[in-house]
Amino acid sequence: EAQVTQNPRYLITVTGKKLTVTCSQNMNHEYMSWYRQDPGLGLRQIYYSMNVEVTDKGDVPEGYKVSRKEKRNFPLILESPSPNQTSLYFCASSINRGYEQYFGPGTRLTVT
Amino acid sequence: GDSVTQMEGPVTLSEEAFLTINCTYTATGYPSLFWYVQYPGEGLQLLLKATKADDKGSNKGFEATYRKETTSFHLEKGSVQVSDSAVYFCALSDRMGNSGGSNYKLTFGKGTLLTVNP
Repeated sequence: EAQVTQNPRYLITVTGKKLTVTCSQNMNHEYMSWYRQDPGLGLRQIYYSMNVEVTDKGDVPEGYKVSRKEKRNFPLILESPSPNQTSLYFCASSINRGYEQYFGPGTRLTVT
Repeated sequence: GDSVTQMEGPVTLSEEAFLTINCTYTATGYPSLFWYVQYPGEGLQLLLKATKADDKGSNKGFEATYRKETTSFHLEKGSVQVSDSAVYFCALSDRMGNSGGSNYKLTFGKGTLLTVNP
């Protein structure tokens, strides 16, 4: 089944404790992206990647890192999480830029 | 920059009622337009899309027509069901990129919560 998977689905952590949210797609898509969803703000892009080893900032990249060492994986790294990063995070992929994006199920992160 | 404006919710309808969710956009290039749906506790699913002016996207009884002259992409369904209760997002992806760059990110509206009562 074609899909985007994310892990973990739920995470509660404390300020400053490094964490990684994994994202993987099995559709051989070139383009991958991370979004965060906040009430009243909708979805905003954090980082994106157009191919292996090609990543760039989206609208709200502060406090996040990403890497794209393999085509299928695009982990999101929070080196020192803060409470304002409490949010619902979505990974998405598409066959190429400009095409429809397919979303993972989301990761609900709470930073205390 | 690009932006999407959709009607604020929540929208509450009775089963079999007609649905319209308005969406207008601003884009610098030639965007593709999408409607995504988010059911409770789930990720976003693509509902329908249109890639050029006058295209009509349709799926599961939902329709939307790409109107370049009014920069709109309104979502309609003739007879809603309880199972259509969800949050609906209008989005665009600008083929020309944003600010001269090459990112074809999705720009979303803020979402419209639809509740359909039996």
